[in-house]
Amino acid sequence: DTEVTQTPKHLVMGMTNKKSLKCEQHMGHRAMYWYKQKAKKPPELMFVYSYEKLSINESVPSRFSPECPNSSLLNLHLHALQPEDSALYLCASSQVGRAERGGTQYFGPGTRLLVL
Amino acid sequence: QQPVQSPQAVILREGEDAVINCSSSKALYSVHWYRQKHGEAPVFLMILLKGGEQKGHEKISASFNEKKQQSSLYLTASQLSYSGTYFCGARPSAGGTSYGKLTFGQGTILTVHP
Repeated sequence: DTEVTQTPKHLVMGMTNKKSLKCEQHMGHRAMYWYKQKAKKPPELMFVYSYEKLSINESVPSRFSPECPNSSLLNLHLHALQPEDSALYLCASSQVGRAERGGTQYFGPGTRLLVL
Repeated sequence: QQPVQSPQAVILREGEDAVINCSSSKALYSVHWYRQKHGEAPVFLMILLKGGEQKGHEKISASFNEKKQQSSLYLTASQLSYSGTYFCGARPSAGGTSYGKLTFGQGTILTVHP
């Protein structure tokens, strides 16, 4: 099973709202990722969690707040977003280690976010 | 730094072949290839580690030239289902603080017509 699930599929929010994106995987992966993807552009890495600890933050604005409550779950809390934050937000997970398959990232279907 | 993919777009008829290249200015540990269809998530195709290896998956194969820091994806006898945007993801090292950091190329749009 290589499934990563994300909820909600679509989200519309105002600039003063607070919302959360959720991601779940049951592959036993200990690394989880958040990416942002604009139309016709590649995914851009936002955050990496390794063993439930934040290991990479790509200088993401503080209005995006990640959380990893356990090894299967990853949240992205959103607050006071701007219209330019509208994008597809992708979650991914991978094994951690130097084995050949380690580092292969499996993506969820994404949450399409529109900020009004 | 973002790897550079070429070409930016390819149009094929069913049964034709295509090659997509991915070049990096930095030394690489691995290259990851993904295909993304419109409105869907990227789907993993294959990973290549440094050492000049080649891999194949049905009619899709890839190579990794460590000296040139370049990877190529070969699609043979293309099918309609091959249509989508192909991304290469470059990983600079095996571990350390950059672990897990995949930087994607800008993508190559492949369209296969009947």
